[in-house]
Amino acid sequence: EPEVTQTPSHQVTQMGQEVILRCVPISNHLYFYWYRQILGQKVEFLVSFYNNEISEKSEIFDDQFSVERPDGSNFTLKIRSTKLEDSAMYFCASSYNSQGWNTEAFFGQGTRLTVV
Amino acid sequence: RKEVEQDPGPFNVPEGATVAFNCTYSNSASQSFFWYRQDCRKEPKLLMSVYSSGNEDGRFTAQLNRASQYISLLIRDSKLSDSATYLCAGEYNFNKFYFGSGTKLNVKP
Repeated sequence: EPEVTQTPSHQVTQMGQEVILRCVPISNHLYFYWYRQILGQKVEFLVSFYNNEISEKSEIFDDQFSVERPDGSNFTLKIRSTKLEDSAMYFCASSYNSQGWNTEAFFGQGTRLTVV
Repeated sequence: RKEVEQDPGPFNVPEGATVAFNCTYSNSASQSFFWYRQDCRKEPKLLMSVYSSGNEDGRFTAQLNRASQYISLLIRDSKLSDSATYLCAGEYNFNKFYFGSGTKLNVKP
């Protein structure tokens, strides 16, 4: 069964460093998303991406964040200068099968980011 | 106002019980709704989609009430393995899925 894959599963970084989280969405999906979940809190929307551009972003997604689809398969989230409060689980998701009208979002297993 | 609101629980029920969760949403333009299950420190996994008047899948039934802007999830004959956090989600214009805080379910032997 197709799935969203994310790497790495766990990333530890020093405050102020840049990190890039990687995702391979399901191959025939058109919409890609990043979410984050701080431990014990809700899943929060960061950004959606469609047709090679940001479709919508939340207030969390400030200038420190950027997304890119550098090739036909990868979808990345970059945090330019990490803060302690960026420590969270980051989930990538994809949705909208071009063959039909399936709009469910499917999630990757997540990258646990720890900023020290 | 939160886009999606859920009772955080926990709901503690014995095996075999029937349990129901509700979720209210504020964005009347939302087109589709979903229930996800999330186990501790894992990703949300799609449980059911709720597109129109409702959906049933085995022991699970989801209902959508657009007039009152809520969706519900009913779990019959609950199993120990049903213990998890259940997230409701709404989707607007393909651009964004927004989640509730989740309802924690503990099924006891």
